[in-house]
Amino acid sequence: DQQVKQNSPSLSVQEGRISILNCDYTNSMFDYFLWYKKYPAEGPTFLISISSIKDKNEDGRFTVFLNKSAKHLSLHIVPSQPGDSAVYFCAATMGGYQKVTFGIGTKLQVIP
Amino acid sequence: DAGVIQSPRHEVTEMGQEVTLRCKPISGHDYLFWYRQTMMRGLELLIYFNNNVPIDDSGMPEDRFSAKMPNASFSTLKIQPSEPRDSAVYFCASRDVASGSSDTQYFGPGTRLTVL
Repeated sequence: DQQVKQNSPSLSVQEGRISILNCDYTNSMFDYFLWYKKYPAEGPTFLISISSIKDKNEDGRFTVFLNKSAKHLSLHIVPSQPGDSAVYFCAATMGGYQKVTFGIGTKLQVIP
Repeated sequence: DAGVIQSPRHEVTEMGQEVTLRCKPISGHDYLFWYRQTMMRGLELLIYFNNNVPIDDSGMPEDRFSAKMPNASFSTLKIQPSEPRDSAVYFCASRDVASGSSDTQYFGPGTRLTVL
């Protein structure tokens, strides 16, 4: 049972445009959400996170939006760059608990 | 710091053989995690340790899988006997929770396991 769902296995975007990666979750106990980025032959690296008390968190070109009522979050990358081409994992956890549940990932390709 | 170190990076073995994956966490980190990545299931948490003590092994798929952490700088994930369906990339990650300095896990480069 996938508690964190990334329904789009892949996404292609032109350089300079916006990339929007989506994630849905089913467990209403999740209160902290993260995005990780993974390049081939490397481990995932932390990108950005958001607490359930917020609905938006921004870090440079990356913004994460959280809609708790819909149990949905999204990652926006503006503008997209070829170096952003990677697999993006959505993840969720409960406060004070170390177990992180990951989605299956979305492969983003930014076309120059 | 060198980051999380995993060995080997690639392992090819035959069905029925024992496989041991190794991990050295970042010095000072008090949590260590083992994950498995497959196309169908993404990143799955297998087991995690706190101060070398296993806390949650509910993700370990079968008794064929075992993990140990004999000290703060070393952990192993063993599969015995291995099966073709165990083929995946196995990641180790560590995190410093006690100091409160970080809210993220740091992943190693992974071990790509192929069981023939």
